[in-house]
This record gives sequence, structure tokens and C-alpha cells, in this order.
Amino acid sequence: QKEVEQDPGPLSVPEGAIVSLNCTYSNSAFQYFMWYRQYSRKGPELLMYTYSSGNKEDGRFTAQVDKSSKYISLFIRDSQPSDSATYLCAMTGGAGSYQLTFGKGTKLSVIP
Amino acid sequence: DSGVTQTPKHLITATGQRVTLRCSPRSGDLSVYWYQQSLDQGLQFLIQYYNGEERAKGNILERFSAQQFPDLHSELNLSSLELGDSALYFCASSPGGAGETQYFGPGTRLLVL
Repeated sequence: QKEVEQDPGPLSVPEGAIVSLNCTYSNSAFQYFMWYRQYSRKGPELLMYTYSSGNKEDGRFTAQVDKSSKYISLFIRDSQPSDSATYLCAMTGGAGSYQLTFGKGTKLSVIP
Repeated sequence: DSGVTQTPKHLITATGQRVTLRCSPRSGDLSVYWYQQSLDQGLQFLIQYYNGEERAKGNILERFSAQQFPDLHSELNLSSLELGDSALYFCASSPGGAGETQYFGPGTRLLVL
């Protein structure tokens, strides 16, 4: 079992839809959770960063972490064609554990 | 623009050769991380340097090595290249050594023929 599982998609939605992206993980030591957006042939761009369980909102984006279920989500409201990209979840254990462990990414297409 | 720069953008070379990838972190960041991204493996952590010292090692092959210089830029050296080394190589930086918020550069696309 991989440490981080993420459905690769592809996921295709109409403009204006609510998008739900998810990752599950197996390592209970993970404490910091991130979502990155990667456009084709570009570097990953940090979107959201959450510590431990809970919700965090930033504009159209909401990140949720449920440590009891080892499950994290990213919601995108009012999706736009410019949101079309690959979304990567990432996590790390924090102090003493410096590397990020990434999911393989979900490719999202928002159709006008 | 994340503030992390990487050169070159593209590199084409032959099997058995050696290449050097360069990374300059964001201003003020002390940590540099190297990642390899391939279609089948996704983003894989290779190695981290913090203020000139190796801090953590991931799935880095013995043919690969890295260093961080006093001005905090870093180089990743790949030697005895194989076809399977063809991938995107990313550098990321963070202010401290904990690694929880990392900012990625645009990457170097390596093609080994």
C-alpha cells in the first residue's frame, strides 16, 4: 500500500461546478497537509496548507483534513477553466521529518 | 513566480554522460529540496540541504549527488545517466528546515537518449 493514495482521474467538470479532490494516507505521523496545483510542464504551486485536522478556506478553495480517517480533501467552488491543472496532495510529519510525500495527482479539466 | 530559479530548463544528453542541474532558492530561504517527477512514479523526494548541510535523504541513487554552496544555491549532479533517468527535476526551497511549506521552481526537463 502506498503511503498516499490519490485518484489520478482525469476529472472533467463544467464551468461553475463544485470540484472535490481527495487523498487518503496510511502514515499516522503526518501532521502537515498541502495541496499543490501544477499546470502542464510547470512547477507545482502551493495552494493550501493545513496543520492537523480541520478546515481552511481561501477564496474559492477549501481544504479539509480528517486525521481520524486519514483523509484529506480539496474543494473548489465555482470552478473556472483556469483551474484546469493537475492537483497534488502532499504531507509531512513536521519536526524531524522534512520531506514531502506526494500523491500522484488528479488531472482536472473545467469545460467552458 | 515562486522566486525559485532553476537552470537549464531543458537538457538532452546521452546515456553514460554526467549533467549538473542548478537551483537558486527564494531570497532568505535556507533549505533546498530536490525532487524527481516521472509519469509512473510521480514526485519523489531526493535530498534536502539546510544552510549548506545535508539534512535528509530520500530515494536518491548513488549515481546522483548534490551540494549547497555558501550563497545557498544548490547543484544536483547526475552521472552515468540511464534512459530511466529521463524526468522532470524540481528544486524547492523553504525558510527553515522543517519542510512544511515548500516553494517549487519551474524544473529542469532531462531527456537521456
